[in-house]
Amino acid sequence: DSGVTQTPKHLITATGQRVTLRCSPRSGDLSVYWYQQSLDQGLQFLIQYYNGEERAKGNILERFSAQQFPDLHSELNLSSLELGDSALYFCASSVSGTPYEQYFGPGTRLTVT
Amino acid sequence: AQSVTQLDSQVPVFEEAPVELRCNYSSSVSVYLFWYVQYPNQGLQLLLKYLSGSTLVESINGFEAEFNKSQTSFHLRKPSVHISDTAEYFCAVSFYNTDKLIFGTGTRLQVFP
Repeated sequence: DSGVTQTPKHLITATGQRVTLRCSPRSGDLSVYWYQQSLDQGLQFLIQYYNGEERAKGNILERFSAQQFPDLHSELNLSSLELGDSALYFCASSVSGTPYEQYFGPGTRLTVT
Repeated sequence: AQSVTQLDSQVPVFEEAPVELRCNYSSSVSVYLFWYVQYPNQGLQLLLKYLSGSTLVESINGFEAEFNKSQTSFHLRKPSVHISDTAEYFCAVSFYNTDKLIFGTGTRLQVFP
């Protein structure tokens, strides 16, 4: 158990809908990262937040957005969903004072039908 | 451009045989290197990391990896594998002064009895 929690575990929704994925980092970790894992794209970095502020952006679509709240949990919002958005979405956290060691949550499996 | 390459998508091996999973990276700046393991239906777990110092790093379950700067490689090895080592292994690179991880495409290690 990494200490990172993600909800829900599974999500099935229809095209055009909007969903919210939630992540709670390990106690004491200030950074949260979101990744997308799909068969065709592999594991792709989406976005990072540090202590409530956006810190780095990767291959995140404009239909996707994220935020980190004062209690440090984070939410990833996916809108206007397409079939190709079906993937496993991982959240990871790190202290960001110790170098570059990220702990991953169990993931949310999103299926768009 | 900075990238990570895992040349082998699948590596089949018999139990108690040695194995090497290859990872090469491309970068003009200093890097930090990681191997993550993903067991079926689970999130990623950090297996081992190279940040600085000794170029040979070891994990608690018998894996080791060696950072080779001249060959820009960070291959993962185990002298004798077990059935329980069956999993997907991801090499990842973090470039100096960023927290972002860039992952390779993964290598599926299948250990047969």
